Amino acid sequence: NAGVMQNPRHLVRRRGQEARLRCSPMKGHSHVYWYRQLPEEGLKFMVYLQKENIIDESGMPKERFSAEFPKEGPSILRIQQVVRGDSAAYFCASSPRQENTEAFFGQGTRLTVV
Amino acid sequence: GENVEQHPSTLSVQEGDSAVIKCTYSDSASNYFPWYKQELGKRPQLIIDIRSNVGEKKDQRIAVTLNKTAKHFSLHITETQPEDSAVYFCAAGGGGGNKLTFGTGTQLKVEL
Repeated sequence: NAGVMQNPRHLVRRRGQEARLRCSPMKGHSHVYWYRQLPEEGLKFMVYLQKENIIDESGMPKERFSAEFPKEGPSILRIQQVVRGDSAAYFCASSPRQENTEAFFGQGTRLTVV
Repeated sequence: GENVEQHPSTLSVQEGDSAVIKCTYSDSASNYFPWYKQELGKRPQLIIDIRSNVGEKKDQRIAVTLNKTAKHFSLHITETQPEDSAVYFCAAGGGGGNKLTFGTGTQLKVEL
């Protein structure tokens, strides 16, 4: 059973470009969470999705950031018009059901904006 | 929303000694408290978790205690080894959906 798969592992974008981060949850998991980790800081919740639904996006910046989890395919975190402050590690986690269950993390995507 | 505070931010111990990391949370509705270990450049990995219906849980050299009244929980690592060196994060969840609120991390260094 493959773990949570994220790609790419490393992504370099110039200011103003778009970044697309992908996350395939573990088999059988229908809940996906995105977290952002700035250098030498903790993980900050961004968004919680189920298939075709955004459940909680309270941690998402109001502009330039969006997320989706379509019926088929991976979850996508999209950052438009990236700025240097977007440079961070973005981790995806998945779990099999909603409450009080272990969240398994992917290896993360390290975004560098130059 | 939930706020989790974690102390200390850095901790150095001699190999074989015990290490204790403490966290407090603010939302009394939180009922799930995992601890993650993160090595440099790698993903967070769950090492132990506790739910609000128990006060203590142990797994070999690792134990976690929870005091719901005081809203704090602690990680205890006994007989520390160099491979325990990493950043440890506490988290709280369950109070509002399934998102986790993380502490700011503790850099543990186990010295020979």
